[in-house]
Amino acid sequence: SQTIHQWPATLVQPVGSPLSLECTVEGTSNPNLYWYRQAAGRGLQLLFYSVGIGQISSEVPQNLSASRPQDRQFILSSKKLLLSDSGFYLCAWTGTGSEKLFFGSGTQLSVL
Amino acid sequence: AQTVTQSQPEMSVQEAETVTLSCTYDTSENNYYLFWYKQPPSRQMILVIRQEAYKQQNATENRFSVNFQKAAKSFSLKISDSQLGDTAMYFCAFIPLSSGSARQLTFGSGTQLTVLP
Repeated sequence: SQTIHQWPATLVQPVGSPLSLECTVEGTSNPNLYWYRQAAGRGLQLLFYSVGIGQISSEVPQNLSASRPQDRQFILSSKKLLLSDSGFYLCAWTGTGSEKLFFGSGTQLSVL
Repeated sequence: AQTVTQSQPEMSVQEAETVTLSCTYDTSENNYYLFWYKQPPSRQMILVIRQEAYKQQNATENRFSVNFQKAAKSFSLKISDSQLGDTAMYFCAFIPLSSGSARQLTFGSGTQLTVLP
């Protein structure tokens, strides 16, 4: 069966520090991968998606970037975090041609 | 561009009662899927129910059912026999079939449902 792993679960970082959140999917190949952000008490905002290795599409101009170095690995990064980067980050995947989105357990990022 | 609107930020219901959560959407697409996701306090996003736009029959999953009105672009979620474990944030979501391989979902802002004992 397919599983998605996302880590860390919580992270506290000072302003100006770098960021790296990792997400991996098991049990499937060539998944579509997504990074969403959820601000406190609000809905989900799509940040990045990827349909294949090295293919990244950005939905919102921001301080963040994403990379997909391997088929089932998706990384969210920042060189210098801002206070506004605080939030709950969710990784998700779908199979090719599938409309069902499956989510990781999320990372709560607090930038202080 | 698609938009999804949930006009009820918060709702409450007594245990064992029935509650309906509202969702409307705006799209020029003819073929699409609609979803309701649940986010309990653990913050794990859980798929509750799915509706294909080309199906006239409303989807049902145990105590959860939808009222899909395509012409009105309305997609409400009915929870019957509410249980304490139903307390969660509920998100309505939309995906057009024309989005190709990317399959990008658009989410509403959510409705916080509290089931009262």
